[in-house]
Amino acid sequence: KNEVEQSPQNLTAQEGEFITINCSYSVGISALHWLQQHPGGGIVSLFMLSSGKKKHGRLIATINIQEKHSSLHITASHPRDSAVYICAVLPPRNQFYFGTGTSLTVIP
Amino acid sequence: NAGVTQTPKFQVLKTGQSMTLQCAQDMNHEYMSWYRQDPGMGLRLIHYSVGAGITDQGEVPNGYNVSRSTTEDFPLRLLSAAPSQTSVYFCASSYSTLASGYEQYFGPGTRLTVT
Repeated sequence: KNEVEQSPQNLTAQEGEFITINCSYSVGISALHWLQQHPGGGIVSLFMLSSGKKKHGRLIATINIQEKHSSLHITASHPRDSAVYICAVLPPRNQFYFGTGTSLTVIP
Repeated sequence: NAGVTQTPKFQVLKTGQSMTLQCAQDMNHEYMSWYRQDPGMGLRLIHYSVGAGITDQGEVPNGYNVSRSTTEDFPLRLLSAAPSQTSVYFCASSYSTLASGYEQYFGPGTRLTVT
């Protein structure tokens, strides 16, 4: 059983579309992170959330602690957004649980 | 700052060989960790350290050893490589413990193949 489930696993969108990636988790957490893994393999941290909503440019992340659910939205998607997006939850200890990732391809 | 560096980028080993994956960071981060990434599975924690001289096991520690003699370096040793250890390995660091809410910085990864 995976503590973190992401959907969809794969997503193809046309440039300009609004994109939503979902993350559901089954454990109590102190924080949730969204990561981006580029086609070359590098991983960068996008957001850390413990409640509410955060926005960086065209990216918006929300979390509902009661429902154990988070969403990552991309507005006006662009081909450079093509990557794998990974949800990671942090229980109250020093160990993440990671989702398997959502592979996004944005077509020009 | 170079951030988190890992060497080598690629490595092929024969079953039974040993080797050390190197990880270094120049950000004076206390928390460092090693993950492996396998197809169809999320990143999994192998070992982590909350400071020099302190290490602890993660989810999949068997077959791996770590040490943290300095704040900067956190090498991962494969004692006797097995094909099941074929994976991509990522080192990551954070200013403080994960629960403190600091961002994790990832290295570029090491792709290891064990034949």
